[in-house]
Amino acid sequence: LAKTTQPISMDSYEGQEVNITCSHNNIATNDYITWYQQFPSQGPRFIIQGYKTKVTNEVASLFIPADRKSSTLSLPRVSLSDTAVYYCLVVRQGYSTLTFGKGTMLLVSP
Amino acid sequence: DAGVTQSPTHLIKTRGQHVTLRCSPISGHKSVSWYQQVLGQGPQFIFQYYEKEERGRGNFPDRFSARQFPNYSSELNVNALLLGDSALYLCASSVQGGEGYNEQFFGPGTRLTVL
Repeated sequence: LAKTTQPISMDSYEGQEVNITCSHNNIATNDYITWYQQFPSQGPRFIIQGYKTKVTNEVASLFIPADRKSSTLSLPRVSLSDTAVYYCLVVRQGYSTLTFGKGTMLLVSP
Repeated sequence: DAGVTQSPTHLIKTRGQHVTLRCSPISGHKSVSWYQQVLGQGPQFIFQYYEKEERGRGNFPDRFSARQFPNYSSELNVNALLLGDSALYLCASSVQGGEGYNEQFFGPGTRLTVL
């Protein structure tokens, strides 16, 4: 599976939009991009998944350019409760095991 | 609806002992996976079971073993505990075991401390 690279940490303020970019240069044609969120001492929680272009749900948006070598998770108007670690994962179609990196620690301040 | 449940919540063991961790998947989910998360790192895949059969194994020593029961609950066993086994052990369930991507639903984890 393609290795993912994302910033170790990011800081933001309440009400701002946060964009976390992940690179996955060696992504294969049958790979999907998936993002999970994890709060301290809790299990990760699925946020969003996409293959190409843009995907939006009630929590976030995921932007994937045509070459699919990167993706951007967009969190609109973050609140203090969005402080968490965000993981970008590449998931192979036909498989459900997840390969996590270190993730991005997002700190939202008042 | 109940989510994935794990027991115990916390556990303290000494080196050389063995431990059994338990997981109950979401009702209707037939696949269970186990992950180990060391402090400051992302979760690392240990095992996946589907319909009581092992579907995948991560890069962990043979001291780690698991099984899935007819009711789809699962146990993770670790023998001859080492200090480095101290971690949060996460269980995740999904509807299926590998045909197409299936969202993984994680439990709260079991915090294992080895002294």
